[in-house]
Amino acid sequence: DVKVTQSSRYLVKRTGEKVFLECVQDMDHENMFWYRQDPGLGLRLIYFSYDVKMKEKGDIPEGYSVSREKKERFSLILESASTNQTSMYLCASGTPGTQGTGELFFGEGSRLTVL
Amino acid sequence: QQQVKQSPQSLIVQKGGISIINCAYENTAFDYFPWYQQFPGKGPALLIAIRPDVSEKKEGRFTISFNKSAKQFSLHIMDSQPGDSATYFCAASIADSNYQLIWGAGTKLIIKP
Repeated sequence: DVKVTQSSRYLVKRTGEKVFLECVQDMDHENMFWYRQDPGLGLRLIYFSYDVKMKEKGDIPEGYSVSREKKERFSLILESASTNQTSMYLCASGTPGTQGTGELFFGEGSRLTVL
Repeated sequence: QQQVKQSPQSLIVQKGGISIINCAYENTAFDYFPWYQQFPGKGPALLIAIRPDVSEKKEGRFTISFNKSAKQFSLHIMDSQPGDSATYFCAASIADSNYQLIWGAGTKLIIKP
């Protein structure tokens, strides 16, 4: 089974703190993604990566950065956490499908609360 | 034009009934339409997907109906069971977007025993 593991399920941080969310996948997938999930807003793409050391901005990259030093690991960084970044963060991975289709595999999510 | 509008936001169905969730899109370049299912405390998982060259796809109790002219697609869950209670997301993408899915807002489905 494909496994996408997010290191922290629940985090509580203070405003201004630096936050690292780690994600590891075990299926040698090229593509990795970070989404943010908020009620009524669905899934919003923060950043994605097609290859090691490669990153692309998604729809809501402001306030976030990412790192992909190894193929299996994709990290999301909040340089200075703010209360409006309180949310559920989902990591996903997948292989390039035929003509852009294909299945995404998600981790169980990291629920971040910023006080 | 990039939006996918999903309705209803929440849905309560009696056990054994039919659950119907609808999605609409504007961008006619979209040509891949998956549905993802998310149980509480878990990440979303692919349930079923369709491409616009067919009008319907069925997998067990789950069916996607696709209306290209109306730019709408829907998920039907037949004989709904309490175990189907979850949040369902529709999505759409363009063939060469390489996974840049546009997501609906989600529907929280509750099946009452």
